[in-house]
Amino acid sequence: DGGITQSPKYLFRKEGQNVTLSCEQNLNHDAMYWYRQDPGQGLRLIYYSQIVNDFQKGDIAEGYSVSREKKESFPLTVTSAQKNPTAFYLCASRPPGRPNQPQHFGDGTRLSIL
Amino acid sequence: QQQVKQSPQSLIVQKGGISIINCAYENTAFDYFPWYQQFPGKGPALLIAIRPDVSEKKEGRFTISFNKSAKQFSLHIMDSQPGDSATYFCAASMNTDKLIFGTGTRLQVFP
Repeated sequence: DGGITQSPKYLFRKEGQNVTLSCEQNLNHDAMYWYRQDPGQGLRLIYYSQIVNDFQKGDIAEGYSVSREKKESFPLTVTSAQKNPTAFYLCASRPPGRPNQPQHFGDGTRLSIL
Repeated sequence: QQQVKQSPQSLIVQKGGISIINCAYENTAFDYFPWYQQFPGKGPALLIAIRPDVSEKKEGRFTISFNKSAKQFSLHIMDSQPGDSATYFCAASMNTDKLIFGTGTRLQVFP
């Protein structure tokens, strides 16, 4: 089955620690995105990538980093500089073609602080 | 100008009733307006989408109404069912691949 796989489903971070969230897609989509979801705030864009080896900051990129070395993979690192990392993190991808194609989402990773 | 304002924050509807969720935007350059449905612990899934050249789009029990002059659009769920209980997000974009999301509406449908 084609889809977006996010792992792990739950993740705990200690103070001062960097953690990496995985996002893999086998849909052959060019564009990939990372969102953060907090209660009552909807989804906010962290980073996005339209092509391999290229990515752009979203609205809340501070304290996060990404890489896009392969088309299928777009990992997100939550660094120790992110002081409030507890949230639900969602990865999405979009088919090639016109920009306004629907984004498809994974089932998220819930990150908590120990 | 980049915001999409969504209301209400929560909604309780009796089974068989009509659920209505409203969104408003400021940026007239937006040209794509999707609605997403999200169940607890899952990612959002596209429900229905509309472009500003039409005033209404219907798919089954779900209808988007679009008022370009008022810069508003709404989701109507006819014959609401308990299985429709979820969080609904409206969104907008302007010929880019960046979606701007509303803050979400938690819908509860009681039998």
